Amino acid sequence: ILNVEQSPQSLHVQEGDSTNFTCSFPSSNFYALHWYRWETAKSPEALFVMTLNGDEKKKGRISATLNTKEGYSYLYIKGSQPEDSATYLCASPNTGNQFYFGTGTSLTVIP
Amino acid sequence: GAGVSQSPSNKVTEKGKDVELRCDPISGHTALYWYRQSLGQGLEFLIYFQGNSAPDKSGLPSDRFSAERTGGSVSTLTIQRTQQEDSAVYLCASSFATENTEAFFGQGTRLTVV
Repeated sequence: ILNVEQSPQSLHVQEGDSTNFTCSFPSSNFYALHWYRWETAKSPEALFVMTLNGDEKKKGRISATLNTKEGYSYLYIKGSQPEDSATYLCASPNTGNQFYFGTGTSLTVIP
Repeated sequence: GAGVSQSPSNKVTEKGKDVELRCDPISGHTALYWYRQSLGQGLEFLIYFQGNSAPDKSGLPSDRFSAERTGGSVSTLTIQRTQQEDSAVYLCASSFATENTEAFFGQGTRLTVV
């Protein structure tokens, strides 16, 4: 079992603010780190899959960084919009490709 | 199909009844996962199928829960003698069996035990 933790549990920000949250995972036997966005009444959708230390990925206003040596990843949202409101999940697979998810960060963007 | 399909989308059942939840993964995906999210909780791992290997059932909360995957494709999750604490959204996901490929989720089955 991999212990994947996310913080904060929830976050409220004003429209236009930038924000970030954290995913921590065991640095030993690291294979990959996934970020998913889960909007209400929809299914989780992948944002990023990251495998290399120092990797940085970007999709529009959302970006993520990865530090495999210290076991953390940051997700950044620049200029938050109401449509960014969702739960953001991270997951790390073990050697058997079984995904272990964190409990998520619930983001609410206030118009 | 184009994506992961789950049925039913909603299920209301009486306490003590058995229920079956179905998942149709994306064709060609060898890995299939079941998770659930209870109200106010995170995503809880239930069971993982990988090809022809024995499934990892370590997340099943009790022996009332079982799952099978026939022919390496469709999976059913069965809950016997349902209890109110079984009420949750049950999510199925599938992926290719490599750690650097994403998992694709179904829309989930919302189970309510009354």
